[in-house]
Amino acid sequence: DIQMTQSPSSLSASVGDRVTITCRASQSISSYLNWYQQKPGKAPKLLIYAASSLQSGVPSRFSGSGSGTDFTLTISSLQPEDFATYYCQQSYSTPPGFTFGPGTKVDIK
Amino acid sequence: QVQLVQSGAEVKKPGASVKVSCKASGYTFTGYYMHWVRQAPGQGLEWMGWINPNSGGTNYAQKFQGRVTMTRDTSISTAYMELSRLRSDDTAVYYCARDIVVVVAATLEGYNWFDPWGQGTLVTVSS
Repeated sequence: DIQMTQSPSSLSASVGDRVTITCRASQSISSYLNWYQQKPGKAPKLLIYAASSLQSGVPSRFSGSGSGTDFTLTISSLQPEDFATYYCQQSYSTPPGFTFGPGTKVDIK
Repeated sequence: QVQLVQSGAEVKKPGASVKVSCKASGYTFTGYYMHWVRQAPGQGLEWMGWINPNSGGTNYAQKFQGRVTMTRDTSISTAYMELSRLRSDDTAVYYCARDIVVVVAATLEGYNWFDPWGQGTLVTVSS
């Protein structure tokens, strides 16, 4: 089964900071990687699909890159509304299914 | 606009079953697979399976096989997830999410993602 890991598990940052979150797959998943943002008490929201495609309506400060096993979500200039938990998700192999990474919590420094 | 509206919170005793509904609007219900994902308190996201609303075909995560049943009623554009033999560790928020798939013509690779998601349904299992 494909396992997904994320680093760091949490980070503290200030408004305006550049933030980078890494997601790693236990085997190559090509570009079958999505990123979601979840705020407390809310459902996840799609940010990036197919590793680097920005979902319509998502601010351009969000970007995704990578292929194979290593992927990155970058927020170029952190805004107050970006404090949330971010999850990666692989869609390469089913089974085992659309597994998610454990999440990265971004909070205020 | 595309919207998924789920049923309200449930409290169940261990060993019981729960059935959560997800009503779709703003798009052709039978044209998109529907996924179910759950999130235990303070934990991450766990994919449970999908249903094809057109055919009724299903694919369940191995962890839930034998305990989960996903169905749909196309007349009211609603998907259902029923989980049986509930345990305390089934306490979680359960989400439905629409599957989007795009096939790249040149390579025939299909990329899937979930959008949108329902608002979530809290299921509490407690004696």
